[in-house]
Amino acid sequence: GIQVEQSPPDLILQEGANSTLRCNFSDSVNNLQWFHQNPWGQLINLFYIPSGTKQNGRLSATTVATERYSLLYISSSQTTDSGVYFCAVIMDTGRRALTFGSGTRLQVQP
Amino acid sequence: DVKVTQSSRYLVKRTGEKVFLECVQDMDHENMFWYRQDPGLGLRLIYFSYDVKMKEKGDIPEGYSVSREKKERFSLILESASTNQTSMYLCASLGPIGTEAFFGQGTRLTVV
Repeated sequence: GIQVEQSPPDLILQEGANSTLRCNFSDSVNNLQWFHQNPWGQLINLFYIPSGTKQNGRLSATTVATERYSLLYISSSQTTDSGVYFCAVIMDTGRRALTFGSGTRLQVQP
Repeated sequence: DVKVTQSSRYLVKRTGEKVFLECVQDMDHENMFWYRQDPGLGLRLIYFSYDVKMKEKGDIPEGYSVSREKKERFSLILESASTNQTSMYLCASLGPIGTEAFFGQGTRLTVV
């Protein structure tokens, strides 16, 4: 099946710093989503971005489908940005279900 | 606002009990999923369903079954709960190609 790799696995930032999270995937996809898992465990949708670039406030994401990677940018980080960020994809062929990366655990310190 | 609702946020059950985890979505999605999340193992797919009364095994179906009698509801069943099924369970729904998936709030199940 498809492989999804996220880096870095852990990231510690000071409040106000910027960061870039990366997601590499091994096959063509028709769905790529970024999620933030809150302290209660719920997965919050950040971006649906199988290709192209999107922005939502301090967050933006870019997916280069031909090179099989996606980047999530967090600017001017806040303590409330802390948590685990997941990338998940659905392959063009095969089963229509999300395969997740192992996540990036972000800690923003005041 | 789109909604996937899981019946319980926290659940404690005894070994050997039959356990039902319920998930309801209001988006008229064809596809629904059950995942479990464990430290160090990430999110793993247990079962999914493409349509009413249809089900497909995911990567870790052993010890679980599912039921989809109505389009909006997808149930995960632990026939005889065991301590190694203590985990966080997440339900999701997904529409056609070109749309995004949404998750419920999760159920933390503890089997004692």
